[in-house]
Amino acid sequence: AQTVTQSQPEMSVQEAETVTLSCTYDTSENNYYLFWYKQPPSRQMILVIRQEAYKQQNATENRFSVNFQKAAKSFSLKISDSQLGDTAMYFCAVHTGNQFYFGTGTSLTVIP
Amino acid sequence: EAQVTQNPRYLITVTGKKLTVTCSQNMNHEYMSWYRQDPGLGLRQIYYSMNVEVTDKGDVPEGYKVSRKEKRNFPLILESPSPNQTSLYFCASKSLGAMFYGYTFGSGTRLTVV
Repeated sequence: AQTVTQSQPEMSVQEAETVTLSCTYDTSENNYYLFWYKQPPSRQMILVIRQEAYKQQNATENRFSVNFQKAAKSFSLKISDSQLGDTAMYFCAVHTGNQFYFGTGTSLTVIP
Repeated sequence: EAQVTQNPRYLITVTGKKLTVTCSQNMNHEYMSWYRQDPGLGLRQIYYSMNVEVTDKGDVPEGYKVSRKEKRNFPLILESPSPNQTSLYFCASKSLGAMFYGYTFGSGTRLTVV
């Protein structure tokens, strides 16, 4: 079975600082994709960043970047220069075959 | 605009009263899925469909039904809702084979069963 673990239920960060959200996963598949989704209070699920497992280079999207460690099955999200609008629930997800597996989420609060 | 449309956004109902949550997508996606989101449990898959007339159970299918008569629509039916089905529900769709793009999500339905 595939599992996705987010071990930090809640985190906070000062505005303009950097924060890292952790995610580990377990899969026996070789071909898979990794995602981070953001869910602000509006509850809309918004794609933040994605990573192809066969690519060693870490994905980057503006202030968001990942640290992908395939051997360790780790996929952490780094948010630089945190902004108030980054306050949200963040979900890590693994996409393999035709299934998506989600973690339990990390609630991030950016403090002014 | 490419989107998944879910209705209603909020719903309060009583135990045992049948209800349907609608989901429609305009991207010609083959794959559609329903999830429920509960605090501390993340998103759990209820049912999914890989194409018209093809549906299958996810991790938590008990108490739910779905149908896929048309490619664009994938309604979620609760024949006899119970309070433990109070949750936030998401419909999502994706193109088969386009794993890199992930899901497009609807805006969610907050269901309360009293």
